[in-house]
Amino acid sequence: DAGVTQSPTHLIKTRGQQVTLRCSPKSGHDTVSWYQQALGQGPQFIFQYYEEEERQRGNFPDRFSGHQFPNYSSELNVNALLLGDSALYLCASSLRLGTVNSYEQYFGPGTRLTVT
Amino acid sequence: GNSVTQMEGPVTLSEEAFLTINCTYTATGYPSLFWYVQYPGEGLQLLLKATKADDKGSNKGFEATYRKETTSFHLEKGSVQVSDSAVYFCALSDQNSGAGSYQLTFGKGTKLSVIP
Repeated sequence: DAGVTQSPTHLIKTRGQQVTLRCSPKSGHDTVSWYQQALGQGPQFIFQYYEEEERQRGNFPDRFSGHQFPNYSSELNVNALLLGDSALYLCASSLRLGTVNSYEQYFGPGTRLTVT
Repeated sequence: GNSVTQMEGPVTLSEEAFLTINCTYTATGYPSLFWYVQYPGEGLQLLLKATKADDKGSNKGFEATYRKETTSFHLEKGSVQVSDSAVYFCALSDQNSGAGSYQLTFGKGTKLSVIP
């Protein structure tokens, strides 16, 4: 049973550039959430996708956008990169609300983004 | 808004010592509470959970009890091993009706090092 996978593992970008990160959810899961984890901090919620729509959003600017595909995989896009966007980006998948154990989120290994 | 406060680390213990990591929370309604563990270079793994007051979550020798009166969810283990060395995150979920799933709010994490 494949867990949550993310790509790439590491990425180095320059200020002002754009980046796309990818996530495939755990088999059977249809909801994908993205989190940003700065060094030494806990993960911060960015947004969540279900049925190909953004359902919830944390306190992140519009430079952060996403997409969910019909196969439930998801992308996170960040435009106009800032030095402060350097972090570990985590994807988590879960079953939709109302499903048994829908509160359990399974995390991928993350993508380490470095902005120089 | 919701918030989670956990004890500052790092925490260094000798093997077989007793572990307590304090966690308190602020939330509206009745959140579910979680402990996640992050091993070096890996994503987050769900360690244990409790979904209502007085529930005790347990896994791999770790325990935590949901205390509504003190808004706490302290993590304990009677005898730690070197393999328990990791960063531990306390988190709560905030059900948002109409959304796909639960949004997690994390504490800053507590790094545990267990020495032989």
